[in-house]
Amino acid sequence: AQSVAQPEDQVNVAEGNPLTVKCTYSVSGNPYLFWYVQYPNRGLQFLLKYITGDNLVKGSYGFEAEFNKSQTSFHLKKPSALVSDSALYFCAVRYRNSGNTPLVFGKGTRLSVIA
Amino acid sequence: GAVVSQHPSWVICKSGTSVKIECRSLDFQATTMFWYRQFPKQSLMLMATSNEGSKATYEQGVEKDKFLINHASLTLSTLTVTSAHPEDSSFYICSARVGRERVNEQFFGPGTRLTVL
Repeated sequence: AQSVAQPEDQVNVAEGNPLTVKCTYSVSGNPYLFWYVQYPNRGLQFLLKYITGDNLVKGSYGFEAEFNKSQTSFHLKKPSALVSDSALYFCAVRYRNSGNTPLVFGKGTRLSVIA
Repeated sequence: GAVVSQHPSWVICKSGTSVKIECRSLDFQATTMFWYRQFPKQSLMLMATSNEGSKATYEQGVEKDKFLINHASLTLSTLTVTSAHPEDSSFYICSARVGRERVNEQFFGPGTRLTVL
């Protein structure tokens, strides 16, 4: 079965400092991996995805994530955090060849960037 | 492109009434739509998957007679919460998967907050 773990409920970082939001996955095949961000009372906004190719994926708003197959991780990173980055972040996974199955989400990590 | 809308964005209803939530893909044809439910400070839980023109597939524990899903066209899916009760109060989010051109992406609507009094 496919699953996603986000080990941290909350991440606090000072504005201007680098941030990391952790994600590990468990799938029996090759995964498609995604990061989404959610602002209060809003739907999810797509940040980036890993499908194949370069393990370092660059996405929206200066975010990037590195696919690490040996560690089964897909941590989200940003070199310099902004207060406006404060939101709820979800990691998601889908099987590479799973037909019509939906994304499976982690529980979410709340990022708080302090000025 | 790839915009998904939901209507209404929020709704308050009395216990025992039914509520219909619409999900539309505005600039693409969605062969598959998904309905998620999100409780406060929790992740998205998949409720059902619907393909245009066929019956929805419900996740374990989701009552299909209570949460009626109709995927009438490639751009519209509806979720009807029948005989709503306070425990049905939640944030409902739909998602649409683009057809063959961008098969891996799911696009999400802005969500509908349902409050049942």
